[in-house]
Amino acid sequence: AQSVTQLGSHVSVSEGALVLLRCNYSSSVPPYLFWYVQYPNQGLQLLLKYTTGATLVKGINGFEAEFKKSETSFHLTKPSAHMSDAAEYFCAVANAGGTSYGKLTFGQGTILTVHP
Amino acid sequence: EAGVAQSPRYKIIEKRQSVAFWCNPISGHATLYWYQQILGQGPKLLIQFQNNGVVDDSQLPKDRFSAERLKGVDSTLKIQPAKLEDSAVYLCASRGGTKPFTSSGNTIYFGEGSWLTVV
Repeated sequence: AQSVTQLGSHVSVSEGALVLLRCNYSSSVPPYLFWYVQYPNQGLQLLLKYTTGATLVKGINGFEAEFKKSETSFHLTKPSAHMSDAAEYFCAVANAGGTSYGKLTFGQGTILTVHP
Repeated sequence: EAGVAQSPRYKIIEKRQSVAFWCNPISGHATLYWYQQILGQGPKLLIQFQNNGVVDDSQLPKDRFSAERLKGVDSTLKIQPAKLEDSAVYLCASRGGTKPFTSSGNTIYFGEGSWLTVV
């Protein structure tokens, strides 16, 4: 079975500071990995995804994430936080095959707060 | 391109009552998902449809929850009777392809959710 662990349910940064949201996954087959963002009272919006190829993935709004197979990690970063980045972020994994194919399994989420 | 549409956006019901949520996926999307998101938790898959067939409903509480996708387009999720612990956001999502996720397609798109409060 696949699973996702997000380290830290709340992360607080100052505007302009580095954003680092941690995600570790467990999967018995090569995974597809995703980061979604959820603003208050809204649905989930895809930030970026790793499928195959380059392990450093760039997404929208200046975010990027690096797939590290040896560490089973897919941490999300942004060099300089903006007030508009305040939201809840979810890491998710999907299997490339098997019975869980096409299904996303989410972590518990990390709430990002950005201080002026 | 229109997104995933859900209604109603908000619903408050008393326990033991019934409620139904409707979802219209992105046009042409074969795969449709219903997720339950309890406050403070990540979304959990309830049911996955491929066209009008069920692919995975292993986490759907079938004694009270039911879902259908007639004609392989719109879908309805019903809860009867509702319990207090059913208070959550119910997210509908859709995906166009059936092939593996790629860097440029087959993304899962989510609707804005239907917020249920059971009192």
